Order: sequence, then C-alpha cells, then structure tokens
Amino acid sequence: AQKVTQAQTEISVVEKEDVTLDCVYETRDTTYYLFWYKQPPSGELVFLIRRNSFDEQNEISGRYSWNFQKSTSSFNFTITASQVVDSAVYFCALSEARLVVFGKGTKLTVNP
Amino acid sequence: DGGITQSPKYLFRKEGQNVTLSCEQNLNHDAMYWYRQDPGQGLRLIYYSQIVNDFQKGDIAEGYSVSREKKESFPLTVTSAQKNPTAFYLCASSIGMTSGGTDTQYFGPGTRLTVL
Repeated sequence: AQKVTQAQTEISVVEKEDVTLDCVYETRDTTYYLFWYKQPPSGELVFLIRRNSFDEQNEISGRYSWNFQKSTSSFNFTITASQVVDSAVYFCALSEARLVVFGKGTKLTVNP
Repeated sequence: DGGITQSPKYLFRKEGQNVTLSCEQNLNHDAMYWYRQDPGQGLRLIYYSQIVNDFQKGDIAEGYSVSREKKESFPLTVTSAQKNPTAFYLCASSIGMTSGGTDTQYFGPGTRLTVL
C-alpha cells in the first residue's frame, strides 16, 4: 500500500523567511508520480507540480523549488522569501497505479 | 474559461435527507473524482469515473452514490445512510487514468456540507 507522510502539521514563519515542507512517501513500484497542491483558505486545491519517479532533477519555479530524492523517498518543497499570500495548506500526493493518495497536509502561516 | 464548477458552495441538510452535490467540467477530461476532506485530514476518495456510464468505489463509498451520464457531469448524492456527512467535498478531473500513474487532477472550488 502506498502512503504519504507530511510530518509537519503546522508551520509558522515571518515574511521573507525561507521555509521547507517535508514529504516522505512509501511505494513498492518503480513507476510513480508525486504531486504538490496548495489549498488556500478559499478551499480549492491548486496544482503546483507533478514529478515522475524517473526524473530526480530538482525543479525551481520562481520562489518555489522542489527536491526529489529517491534514496530517502522524499519530495520536499521549499518556498524562498515567503510572503503572506503563501499562507495555505499544502498537500503532497503520490500516484502509482491510477489513483492518488494524499498526505494530511501542512498548514503554513506566513506572518507579516 | 475552462475549469471545474461545483455548486452550491455551502449546503445545509437536515438529518435523514438525501442531498446532491453538483460537479461540472468543461476541460474535456475523461476521468472525474469525488473526495471528502475533514478538518486536519487529507483527501479521501469517495468515487471515481474513468469514462461515461462507468464509475468505481473509492475508499469511503458507503452512504454515497454517483452517476456519470455525461462526460461533463459527475453528481454526488449523499444519502441518509451516510452517518457523518458534514465535511468539505471536492470534485476533480483529469485527462485520463493511465496504468502507469494518473494524470494530474484539477480541482473545483468545493462544497461545504453541514448536517443540522
């Protein structure tokens, strides 16, 4: 069975700080996909990134970056120079066979 | 604009009543999904549909029913058999469901159901 663990339930930072959200996953398959979603207070999940298991290159998109390490089964998400608008719940998710399993989410609060 | 719509945004129901949540997409996606989210919890899959006129149970299908008569629509009925229906319900869609791993799912704005 696949599993996604987001050990950080809540994180609070001050604006402009860097913050890393951890995601550890379990799977027996060699082919799988990893995702990150953002859920702002409005409730809608916003897709951020999809990464397949064969691509371990780190990715950067503006202030967002992702570190995928198969050796430790981790797919961590870093926000550089955080802003108040980054306040949200962030979900990591894993798909290995058509369906997606979500972690319980990390609530990030960025204070001005 | 292409996207997923859910209505209503807020829904109140008396115990013992069935209620139907709407989900419509104009992304031309084949696959659609319903998730339930409880406070402090991740998303749990209720039902999914890979194609019109076909759907499958997810992890927590008891007390729920769905239909998929049109590609664009995937309504969810919360029946009186669902013992604890108060939750946030999210609908999603994806291009398809491949054997090697699902395509990216895109989500609607959600419906918050409260049982009085």
